[in-house]
Amino acid sequence: NAGVTQTPKFQVLKTGQSMTLQCAQDMNHEYMSWYRQDPGMGLRLIHYSVGAGITDQGEVPNGYNVSRSTTEDFPLRLLSAAPSQTSVYFCASRPSRLDGTQYFGPGTRLLVL
Amino acid sequence: KQEVTQIPAALSVPEGENLVLNCSFTDSAIYNLQWFRQDPGKGLTSLLLIQSSQREQTSGRLNASLDKSSGRSTLYIAASQPGDSATYLCALGGNQFYFGTGTSLTVIP
Repeated sequence: NAGVTQTPKFQVLKTGQSMTLQCAQDMNHEYMSWYRQDPGMGLRLIHYSVGAGITDQGEVPNGYNVSRSTTEDFPLRLLSAAPSQTSVYFCASRPSRLDGTQYFGPGTRLLVL
Repeated sequence: KQEVTQIPAALSVPEGENLVLNCSFTDSAIYNLQWFRQDPGKGLTSLLLIQSSQREQTSGRLNASLDKSSGRSTLYIAASQPGDSATYLCALGGNQFYFGTGTSLTVIP
C-alpha cells in the first residue's frame, strides 16, 4: 500500500492564482481530511469528508473548496490564492468517521507571493 | 470548541532518561485521542491511539494514558534515545480532530 499520497510537494503561486492540491489513499478509508499547519498554531482542519459525495467544513474553510467523487481521492482547491494561505497542507485518512488511526500524507508546502 | 494544550513547548533531556509529555483538553466528550510524532519537514506518524473507553495504550517504550474526567493525557517515553528527538503532537475528537501545538523533544547523546 502507498498509504496517503499528496502532490505536489512544493508550489509557489502568485496572489489571485488558483490551484488544486491532490490527495489520494489506497486503504479504502471512508474518512478523509485536509489540514493546514502554521508555526505556533498547530494543525487546523480545513475540510473533511465522511464518504464519497459527502463533505463538510472544518475550522478554517474560507478560501478553499473540496469535492469527493471517489473513495480514493480528495482534492483541495484554492480558488484565488492569498498570502495568508502560505502554509504546509496535510491530507489525512482514517477507516471511518469516528474510529481508527488517522494516517497522514507527506504534505505540500505552498508559498503565495 | 475543543482547546488542546501541550506543555512544555520544548524539552531537552539526556539520553536514557524517562520522560512524560502532557496534553490537556477542555471538552471531555471525545471519541478518541491520538499521539503523533513529526520530524522536521515531514508528515505525521501515528504512535498510539486511545479510544474513549480505554485508559491507556502501550507500544514498545511508549505508553499513553487518558483521563477524560480531568481532561488530560500523558505520553510516557522510557529510556529515551537520540532517535526520539522530534515534535510530539496530541490530537483528539471524532468528526473533527483538534491538535495541540506540540512538544519539541531533544534527546542529548
